[in-house]
Amino acid sequence: DGGITQSPKYLFRKEGQNVTLSCEQNLNHDAMYWYRQDPGQGLRLIYYSQIVNDFQKGDIAEGYSVSREKKESFPLTVTSAQKNPTAFYLCASSMEGRHTQYFGPGTRLTVL
Amino acid sequence: SQKIEQNSEALNIQEGKTATLTCNYTNYSPAYLQWYRQDPGRGPVFLLLIRENEKEKRKERLKVTFDTTLKQSLFHITASQPADSATYLCALSGGSYIPTFGRGTSLIVHP
Repeated sequence: DGGITQSPKYLFRKEGQNVTLSCEQNLNHDAMYWYRQDPGQGLRLIYYSQIVNDFQKGDIAEGYSVSREKKESFPLTVTSAQKNPTAFYLCASSMEGRHTQYFGPGTRLTVL
Repeated sequence: SQKIEQNSEALNIQEGKTATLTCNYTNYSPAYLQWYRQDPGRGPVFLLLIRENEKEKRKERLKVTFDTTLKQSLFHITASQPADSATYLCALSGGSYIPTFGRGTSLIVHP
């Protein structure tokens, strides 16, 4: 089955801790994205990567970091510098030169 | 700044009727407009893409229109079913291939 997987589905973090959200795709897509979704809000772009070993900040990158060492993987680290990290995090991918995005199932992060 | 507006109030309709959702935008000249469906607690799923030079696009019970003069897209679901109940997001993009998403409109189809 081709698709995007995210893990874990639910994640709880204590204040001051860094946590890493996993995103893997086997669609052979070049581009990958991380979004944050808050209740009643649209999707806000955190980071994106259009090629391995390269990534760009989105609209709300502060307090987050990413890496893109493999085409299939684009993990997101939520650092302690992110003041309000409780949200639903979505990973997506797309083919080069295409506008359509394919989303994973999401990770719901809660700060205790 | 770019702004995408989707009705924040839920749309309630009866089964069998046509649901029409609206996406308006300002300060933007998108070349592409997409509609996605999102169920609670899940990731969005792509439904349709329409280009700026296309007026209308259809897929089964779905129809999308794109009026670049009015800066508006309408998304229609004909013969709606309770299973169509979800939040529908519109997304606009241009040359960068990175879409900007609206907040979405919740559709509730009553049996």
